[in-house]
Amino acid sequence: AQSVTQLDSHVSVSEGTPVLLRCNYSSSYSPSLFWYVQHPNKGLQLLLKYTSAATLVKGINGFEAEFKKSETSFHLTKPSAHMSDAAEYFCVVSDGSSGTYKYIFGTGTRLKVLA
Amino acid sequence: GAGVSQSPRYKVAKRGQDVALRCDPISGHVSLFWYQQALGQGPEFLTYFQNEAQLDKSGLPSDRFFAERPEGSVSTLKIQRTQQEDSAVYLCASSLERGDYEQYFGPGTRLTVT
Repeated sequence: AQSVTQLDSHVSVSEGTPVLLRCNYSSSYSPSLFWYVQHPNKGLQLLLKYTSAATLVKGINGFEAEFKKSETSFHLTKPSAHMSDAAEYFCVVSDGSSGTYKYIFGTGTRLKVLA
Repeated sequence: GAGVSQSPRYKVAKRGQDVALRCDPISGHVSLFWYQQALGQGPEFLTYFQNEAQLDKSGLPSDRFFAERPEGSVSTLKIQRTQQEDSAVYLCASSLERGDYEQYFGPGTRLTVT
């Protein structure tokens, strides 16, 4: 079975400092992995997607993630946090084994950005 | 262009009432998903449609939950005899084709059962 584990439920950083949100995955084959962001009272927005083309994936708003098969990790990073980055972030794996490619979400990491 | 829309955005139901939640996917999108997001949790899969065919309903928590997409576009999630544990945000997502494609999410319907 496929799954993702987000290692931190809350992360606080100061504005202008780096962001690291950690995600580990479990999959019996090469997975498709995503990071989504959810701002309060807004829909989920795709930040970036990994589908085996390149291990370092660049997304919107300066975010990027690196797929590390040996560590089964897909951590999300950003060099410099902005106040507008405060939101809930979800690591997601696409479950192709079922034929539906439904998403399996992590439990989320709430990012707080301090002025 | 228009994204995925859902209505109503908020719904309060008394325990035991039936509710219907609507999803309008992006035009032309073949795949449609419903997810349930409890407070403080990540979304969990409920059901999947390819056009009008419901191919996977393994995530529906009970037989009180029913979903349909009769013409392969708009979908309705119906919950009969609502219970307090049904309180959650219900998210709809669509994607272009069946397969490993990005899912586009609607804003969700927040259901509160009192």
